[in-house]
Amino acid sequence: DAKTTQPPSMDCAEGRAANLPCNHSTISGNEYVYWYRQIHSQGPQYIIHGLKNNETNEMASLIITEDRKSSTLILPHATLRDTAVYYCIVRRSNDYKLSFGAGTTVTVRA
Amino acid sequence: GAVVSQHPSWVICKSGTSVKIECRSLDFQATTMFWYRQFPKQSLMLMATSNEGSKATYEQGVEKDKFLINHASLTLSTLTVTSAHPEDSSFYICSARDPGQGALGANVLTFGAGSRLTVL
Repeated sequence: DAKTTQPPSMDCAEGRAANLPCNHSTISGNEYVYWYRQIHSQGPQYIIHGLKNNETNEMASLIITEDRKSSTLILPHATLRDTAVYYCIVRRSNDYKLSFGAGTTVTVRA
Repeated sequence: GAVVSQHPSWVICKSGTSVKIECRSLDFQATTMFWYRQFPKQSLMLMATSNEGSKATYEQGVEKDKFLINHASLTLSTLTVTSAHPEDSSFYICSARDPGQGALGANVLTFGAGSRLTVL
């Protein structure tokens, strides 16, 4: 699986959009970008995934660059409950295993 | 949506005893489940892949005789930490893939809430 690089931490203000970057410059054509998050002392939670088109669901939006070497997860209106570690993971669609890196610790402040 | 339940959510045991953690898929059948371990302030580490009706596949460096995995049905996988010692104290998390969740090819995994093991 392609390696991903994320900033170790970031702060954002409650009510504002949070933009979380992820670099995956060695991504292959058949690899998807997945985002999960882990709130303290809980199991990870799936957020969104995409291949090459931008995606949006009720939780977030995923913007993937045209060359697919990087992506941005957007939380449109961050709340205090969005404070968590966010993981960007790249893997093939037929690979069931998930390997977690260090992720980005996002702290939403009032 | 898909739900994965873990039990117990926390357990304290004496050194040398064995502890069993259950992972259940509540509203879907899971032929494959995964077990992770997470130490404080660290990321999740995949321990093994649990396959229904067959032996588990362990990641490199994980002792299969210490961490026994049984996947006897399509909705239940168990992890038994045998002869637990203080260094086995950790947060254990299971996950399962719900084929009905997400678009075709999504391979979204649903995680349990985790089981915190403390070995005295």
